[in-house]
Amino acid sequence: DIQMTQSPSSLSASVGDRVTITCQASQDISNYLNWYQQKPGKAPKLLIYDASNLETGVPSRFSGSGSGTDFTFTISSLQPEDIATYHCQQYDNLPLTFGGGTKVEI
Amino acid sequence: QVQLVQSGAEVKKPGSSVKVSCKASGGTFSSYAISWVRQAPGQGLEWMGRIIPMLEKTDYAQKVQGRVTVTADKSTSTAYVELSGLRSEDTAVYFCARASPPGMATFDCWGQGTLVTVSS
Repeated sequence: DIQMTQSPSSLSASVGDRVTITCQASQDISNYLNWYQQKPGKAPKLLIYDASNLETGVPSRFSGSGSGTDFTFTISSLQPEDIATYHCQQYDNLPLTFGGGTKVEI
Repeated sequence: QVQLVQSGAEVKKPGSSVKVSCKASGGTFSSYAISWVRQAPGQGLEWMGRIIPMLEKTDYAQKVQGRVTVTADKSTSTAYVELSGLRSEDTAVYFCARASPPGMATFDCWGQGTLVTVSS
């Protein structure tokens, strides 16, 4: 199975800050990586697919980059509504696997 | 607009089975894959398996293989996951999620989640 290592597991930032989360795959997954946002008590929501493509309707302050084994997710200017847990997910191979999640707090 | 609506919360005894449903409205049910993803309390997301109704094809994670069965009823646009031999570690929120072709692995629509509690 491909292991996804996400860091940090939690972070605290201020409104307007730039926030960066990393996700490392245990083997080369090309760009087969997605990012999801999950608010407490809710289902995840797709934000970024294919490592860097913004899902329709998602604000442009969210972005993703990377390929191979190292990926980055960025919120350019943190907003109060961005308080959530963020998950990366690889789909290069079955089983589909997720990172451990990053909880973003203000 | 596609919507996935799941069945309600369940409380089960260890060793028993549970079956959770996920009804799709909007879109073409058979053309997509429906995956099941679970989340134990305070933990991350774990993919369990999926079905592609059009191909009648299923894939399972090895961790739960042998205990999990994913099925779909195309006539009612409903997918199901059944988990047998329940243990306390199976206590989790179970989500269904839709994935589109070609990869059938990017989840663009999720159900609301179903809490399954395993307790004696």
